[in-house]
Amino acid sequence: DADVTQTPRNRITKTGKRIMLECSQTKGHDRMYWYRQDPGLGLRLIYYSFDVKDINKGEISDGYSVSRQAQAKFSLSLESAIPNQTALYFCATSRGGNQPQHFGDGTRLSIL
Amino acid sequence: GENVEQHPSTLSVQEGDSAVIKCTYSDSASNYFPWYKQELGKRPQLIIDIRSNVGEKKDQRIAVTLNKTAKHFSLHITETQPEDSAVYFCAASIRGNKLVFGAGTILRVKS
Repeated sequence: DADVTQTPRNRITKTGKRIMLECSQTKGHDRMYWYRQDPGLGLRLIYYSFDVKDINKGEISDGYSVSRQAQAKFSLSLESAIPNQTALYFCATSRGGNQPQHFGDGTRLSIL
Repeated sequence: GENVEQHPSTLSVQEGDSAVIKCTYSDSASNYFPWYKQELGKRPQLIIDIRSNVGEKKDQRIAVTLNKTAKHFSLHITETQPEDSAVYFCAASIRGNKLVFGAGTILRVKS
């Protein structure tokens, strides 16, 4: 089945380290998204991309950067991790606007 | 920007009863409203969605209603079962570009 795959699933690291979270999809969707989930805050959009040459900031992009290496790959980087970036991170894809978004299994990131 | 408020934050119902979760949105240009279910430790999954040209949509025990004038939409689950226990998120789409999510509702179905 076509899917959205995130790696790693869990990561523990230290303050100040550079971290990359990766997302790949076999759904053939053009649009990809990165979200952060914190208890009681829902899913908040970090960055989104409508194609390889298109990158857009979401509501909480400070401290994060992204790269859309191919239609199927969208990676999220934390250049210098800080403890309040500890969260569950989800990648999602969609075929287009006003279409369902399909989520990966998430990456649980802990920054000590 | 768009803001989506979701209530209640937690909801406990007896098995077989109905559950209703309500969301309000601020941007009158929003025109797509999906609902996601997230079981413990799992990814969010779409359970139903509605577009602004429709007032109500049903899928078996699940229904969503939309009131564009009041800018609110609701999820209705009838004949609840223990497997309905999960976190439910509403969302609104800003002009087809991105989703803004509510904070979530923890639904517990007691058997």
